[in-house]
Amino acid sequence: DAGVTQSPTHLIKTRGQHVTLRCSPISGHKSVSWYQQVLGQGPQFIFQYYEKEERGRGNFPDRFSARQFPNYSSELNVNALLLGDSALYLCAARRSWESSTDTQYFGPGTRLTVL
Amino acid sequence: QQQVKQSPQSLIVQKGGISIINCAYENTAFDYFPWYQQFPGKGPALLIAIRPDVSEKKEGRFTISFNKSAKQFSLHIMDSQPGDSATYFCAAPMIPSGAGSYQLTFGKGTKLSVIP
Repeated sequence: DAGVTQSPTHLIKTRGQHVTLRCSPISGHKSVSWYQQVLGQGPQFIFQYYEKEERGRGNFPDRFSARQFPNYSSELNVNALLLGDSALYLCAARRSWESSTDTQYFGPGTRLTVL
Repeated sequence: QQQVKQSPQSLIVQKGGISIINCAYENTAFDYFPWYQQFPGKGPALLIAIRPDVSEKKEGRFTISFNKSAKQFSLHIMDSQPGDSATYFCAAPMIPSGAGSYQLTFGKGTKLSVIP
C-alpha cells in the first residue's frame, strides 16, 4: 500500500492570497486529520474528517477550512494568508475516528511559505 | 497550555551511547503514549508506543519507560547510531475542545544528533 501522499511539496504565496493543499490517505483509512507544524515545534491539530464529515476542529481561525471527498482524499484551504501561516502542513490518516490508540500515519507534508 | 512537556530541546550523543528523552504530562485521562520520529523533510512516523498499564516496552534498541505515579515517560535509544539523528516527539491522544474525537497533542520535540 502506498503511504499518505500530499501535494504540492512546496508552495510560496504572498500575504492575502488563498491556498489549497491536498491529501490522499492510505487505502482503507477513512479518517483524515490536518496538522500545522511551525518550525521548531510539534504538530498542532487543525481538523479531522471522517466519512466526509468534520469530526473535530482545533483552535484555528475561520480562515482555515477543509473538506473530504467520497474517495476519502481531503483538501485544506487557507484564506487571507498571513506571514504566521508559514509552516509545514501535515496530513494524517487512520482507520477510525473514535479510538485513542489508532495509529496516525503522516504524509510528508506541504511546506508553505508566505511572503 | 502545553499538555505534554518534553526535554531536552536538543541532544548530542556519541555513537554507541544511550540517548534519553523525557516527557511529562498532567492529564491523567491520557491512555496511550506514542513516540514519533521525524527526519528533515519528512512527516512524523510512529516509532514506539506504550499504554499506562505497563511500566516498560522495548522494541529493538528503543525502550519506553513509564512512571504513572510521576506522570512521566521517557524514550531510551540504546547503542545510538548516526542514522538515529532526527527529531523525536512524544505525544498523547486527547479530545480537543470542540472536537469529537481523539487527536494527538505533541511535545515540542527533541533534536537528536548522534556523532560518529
